[in-house]
Amino acid sequence: EAGVTQSPTHLIKTRGQQATLRCSPISGHTSVYWYQQALGLGLQFLLWYDEGEERNRGNFPPRFSGRQFPNYSSELNVNALELEDSALYLCASSYRQPNEKLFFGSGTQLSVL
Amino acid sequence: AQSVTQLGSHVSVSEGALVLLRCNYSSSVPPYLFWYVQYPNQGLQLLLKYTSAATLVKGINGFEAEFKKSETSFHLTKPSAHMSDAAEYFCAVSDRASGGYNKLIFGAGTRLAVHP
Repeated sequence: EAGVTQSPTHLIKTRGQQATLRCSPISGHTSVYWYQQALGLGLQFLLWYDEGEERNRGNFPPRFSGRQFPNYSSELNVNALELEDSALYLCASSYRQPNEKLFFGSGTQLSVL
Repeated sequence: AQSVTQLGSHVSVSEGALVLLRCNYSSSVPPYLFWYVQYPNQGLQLLLKYTSAATLVKGINGFEAEFKKSETSFHLTKPSAHMSDAAEYFCAVSDRASGGYNKLIFGAGTRLAVHP
């Protein structure tokens, strides 16, 4: 069974540009979660999507946005990139029901120059 | 609101020694607690989880954790460290109070180094 896949593995952008990160969940999972892992800051919750809807949002500015497609894959978009957006962005998926564990992808390393 | 505090950003042990990684939580509802491990250049892998059943939880790779409500703690232990245990470990609590289902709130992480 394929795990959570993320693309690209690495992404280099300059300040002010836009970045698009992609995530494919495990087959059968309807929930997708996005986390930002900046150096020394642990994992910060960004967004939760389920059944195509944004269900919950972390404490990030509106330039962080995303969507979930009918096949449950997801995109994270970051507009007007800033240097401090440089981080590892992790996607995780789970079944909708409570008490289901999260399965994580290997992440996209975003570098903003 | 739920939160997690991991005491010690870096822990170093000798191979064969006891591993103890500390985690304290704050939760307004009975917590669901997790430990995840992250190896270099990889995502997170679930080690174990507590969801209100037995207070001593056994996980993969010989790790276990004990839920202590009176101490609001969920420390991770392993009797004998192996070189392959070197990684970053994250404690997390499920954000059930806000209806977050499986959304997790993570601690800052503890980097474990194992030396010969």
